[in-house]
Amino acid sequence: DAGITQSPRHKVTETGTPVTLRCHQTENHRYMYWYRQDPGHGLRLIHYSYGVKDTDKGEVSDGYSVSRSKTEDFLLTLESATSSQTSVYFCATNTPGHQETQYFGPGTRLLVL
Amino acid sequence: GQQVMQIPQYQHVQEGEDFTTYCNSSTTLSNIQWYKQRPGGHPVFLIQLVKSGEVKKQKRLTFQFGEAKKNSSLHITATQTTDVGTYFCALSNTGNQFYFGTGTSLTVIP
Repeated sequence: DAGITQSPRHKVTETGTPVTLRCHQTENHRYMYWYRQDPGHGLRLIHYSYGVKDTDKGEVSDGYSVSRSKTEDFLLTLESATSSQTSVYFCATNTPGHQETQYFGPGTRLLVL
Repeated sequence: GQQVMQIPQYQHVQEGEDFTTYCNSSTTLSNIQWYKQRPGGHPVFLIQLVKSGEVKKQKRLTFQFGEAKKNSSLHITATQTTDVGTYFCALSNTGNQFYFGTGTSLTVIP
């Protein structure tokens, strides 16, 4: 959907290590989002970006940082991974005015041991 | 942030039976979207509702937006095994943030 790729698709890491997840889009969508999905919680917004170098926090931003240096790339960094950050991470994009919908990437499964 | 409650959390149906999932909000919504996520997959947009009392159909799926714009439902008639997955409602605010319901996981028993 909307040419969104995520890398890596799977990752196993140890507590305390830094982790960076990448989202890349080819549709020139202005907004990009990072969500985490956990059983019983649905999709929860971590951070989002409304333009290059313009980012803001979502409802579960603690322990995460983001950067957007180019329209097509949105990076999510876990500075020091914890076991509570084991989750499936989805990137999404959106262009306001285009049905107000979101297009999701395939997801990244992260396991923090 | 805004919250939307979704029920039920799980639903098992025999193939051919109907299925309904509901989303409820304590505040008036400007719009609501519905997404489907197949097992192991990512959420895929199904539809958006904007108008009070709006009803939209996609083949066997019927989407409704309440008159007060505080609730919405997705109804599937005569479920098939291809309907298996988790259905989410979502709303967006003026800041273009999206809030998702917790989802309803549908299992269809052949």
